[in-house]
Amino acid sequence: NAGVTQTPKFQVLKTGQSMTLQCAQDMNHEYMSWYRQDPGMGLRLIHYSVGAGITDQGEVPNGYNVSRSTTEDFPLRLLSAAPSQTSVYFCASSPGTGGNQPQHFGDGTRLSIL
Amino acid sequence: GQQVMQIPQYQHVQEGEDFTTYCNSSTTLSNIQWYKQRPGGHPVFLIQLVKSGEVKKQKRLTFQFGEAKKNSSLHITATQTTDVGTYFCAATGGGNKLTFGTGTQLKVEL
Repeated sequence: NAGVTQTPKFQVLKTGQSMTLQCAQDMNHEYMSWYRQDPGMGLRLIHYSVGAGITDQGEVPNGYNVSRSTTEDFPLRLLSAAPSQTSVYFCASSPGTGGNQPQHFGDGTRLSIL
Repeated sequence: GQQVMQIPQYQHVQEGEDFTTYCNSSTTLSNIQWYKQRPGGHPVFLIQLVKSGEVKKQKRLTFQFGEAKKNSSLHITATQTTDVGTYFCAATGGGNKLTFGTGTQLKVEL
């Protein structure tokens, strides 16, 4: 089992560029989520999904879009990158439809916006 | 939204000393989870507490959930260099959103 796979691992963008961070899981988990991690601020929830076709906003959704067309994939799109979006992004998945199950994290994408 | 405060932000200990991190919420929590993140790594699930007053142990780690389900603690007895990392609590208020605390970074010196 690969678990949760995130690509790319590292990315440098210029301000205004767009890109998609990929996240895939092979555990048939219903719940998937995206977090960003900044120094001293822990992990902040960007968007989450309780199943295919259903997404909802977390605490810091502005500037990001998500979709969930399949159970396995949950891509995160940056529409117009800004330096404030420089961060480490983690995707996570869990069984069930809530955040009350153990979360399995990917290895993260380290994103720098110049 | 759900807010979870975690203290301290940093802790330096000598190997063999004990370590405790605390997690506090102003609202009642449905459950609380604890994660460990090694430097350069991703968070790894340690344990979940659900019941009021619950205490669980994993070797040298002791986890407690407060009677009012508004606070929790993680205590490590006799720290080792392998305990280095950042410890996070995470909680839901009953909905689908899992909110993480700001974490406690533990450094262990020989």
